[in-house]
Amino acid sequence: DTEVTQTPKHLVMGMTNKKSLKCEQHMGHRAMYWYKQKAKKPPELMFVYSYEKLSINESVPSRFSPECPNSSLLNLHLHALQPEDSALYLCASSQDIRDIKSGANVLTFGAGSRLTVL
Amino acid sequence: DAKTTQPNSMESNEEEPVHLPCNHSTISGTDYIHWYRQLPSQGPEYVIHGLTSNVNNRMASLAIAEDRKSSTLILHRATLRDAAVYYCILRDSGAGSYQLTFGKGTKLSVIP
Repeated sequence: DTEVTQTPKHLVMGMTNKKSLKCEQHMGHRAMYWYKQKAKKPPELMFVYSYEKLSINESVPSRFSPECPNSSLLNLHLHALQPEDSALYLCASSQDIRDIKSGANVLTFGAGSRLTVL
Repeated sequence: DAKTTQPNSMESNEEEPVHLPCNHSTISGTDYIHWYRQLPSQGPEYVIHGLTSNVNNRMASLAIAEDRKSSTLILHRATLRDAAVYYCILRDSGAGSYQLTFGKGTKLSVIP
């Protein structure tokens, strides 16, 4: 299995709702990532988990709450979002945070969850 | 972090070779050059990476200038499926941040 699976593919929510995005991989990767991508813009890093511990938080507002229950799963809990949070949310995984020897650390991305906040 | 500069867009005819340039004049000795691409309605996918020597894989070739201040991603025969945004990214294998930070990329259009 060489895929990163994200659910749901599409999500519409109101500003008072609580919802979650889910990401799953079975490649034995120990690093997992959340990126946010606005229309016609490049992806922006939000969070990095390494061995199920939060390694990097790129100053993301607290209305986004990541969770890594185990090495195969990554969730992004959403609460009190704003319309400007509407975007494509991409999950990715890699074998480790870095691979000094080969310089690879290839990230495998999911297809994304498209979020619309009304 | 060292930055990259790419053309906003390029066009290619189907079945012709495509050369996608990337300038990185402030590259450091520990920076690897990575390329990812993002097809429409999909997440980014890894294409190739290199440090100093030219690299080939089943998807593409990477030609790195001798002074490492520029590189070129080569698609040997463009197909319609290669229409995507191509991102050239520097990743520091030293003590600095190794995170994958995307720039604006080059949007490649392939003409049938």
